[in-house]
Amino acid sequence: DAGVTQSPTHLIKTRGQQVTLRCSPKSGHDTVSWYQQALGQGPQFIFQYYEEEERQRGNFPDRFSGHQFPNYSSELNVNALLLGDSALYLCASTAGTDTQYFGPGTRLTVL
Amino acid sequence: GESVGLHLPTLSVQEGDNSIINCAYSNSASDYFIWYKQESGKGPQFIIDIRSNMDKRQGQRVTVLLNKTVKHLSLQIAATQPGDSAVYFCAENSGSSYKLIFGSGTRLLVRP
Repeated sequence: DAGVTQSPTHLIKTRGQQVTLRCSPKSGHDTVSWYQQALGQGPQFIFQYYEEEERQRGNFPDRFSGHQFPNYSSELNVNALLLGDSALYLCASTAGTDTQYFGPGTRLTVL
Repeated sequence: GESVGLHLPTLSVQEGDNSIINCAYSNSASDYFIWYKQESGKGPQFIIDIRSNMDKRQGQRVTVLLNKTVKHLSLQIAATQPGDSAVYFCAENSGSSYKLIFGSGTRLLVRP
């Protein structure tokens, strides 16, 4: 067990709604990254948070936003949900440039 | 552009045999490579990593080989077990970036 936790496990929303996903990093880790994994594909990098700032962003629209709290936990927010946002959302934590360890993910279904 | 891909989408092996999963990458600036195992309904699990200053690294029953000349990475699993059945992803990272770039994955099926 990598120690990264995510909530909720599953979520069902309708188009146009907004969603917030949560992540607690592994103990000792201060950096959180978010990835989107469509069915049958590899994870795609959304963004990374360090020291409560977005440090790097992948090729995702502004509808995707995030936040990191002083305790290093993080939230991913997605506004104006589209059917194509249905995916497994993964959180990964790390310390410095060490290996990224992933949580179990949140399965988001948009109807 | 950047890409990390896999040659074989599905690999079926007999229990007890050795498995080899291959991966090609295109970013010559990549200097860190990781193999992850993902079981159904779970997040990717770290298996083994290797940095570009190495050609080979061994773990418990797993070995990763890196050929920088042809930009090729492989994962060898010795004495494959039913519990090894999963999707395996290679991922790469360059020192100038914080993101991991994943391939599309190879599904490993272990026949009893």
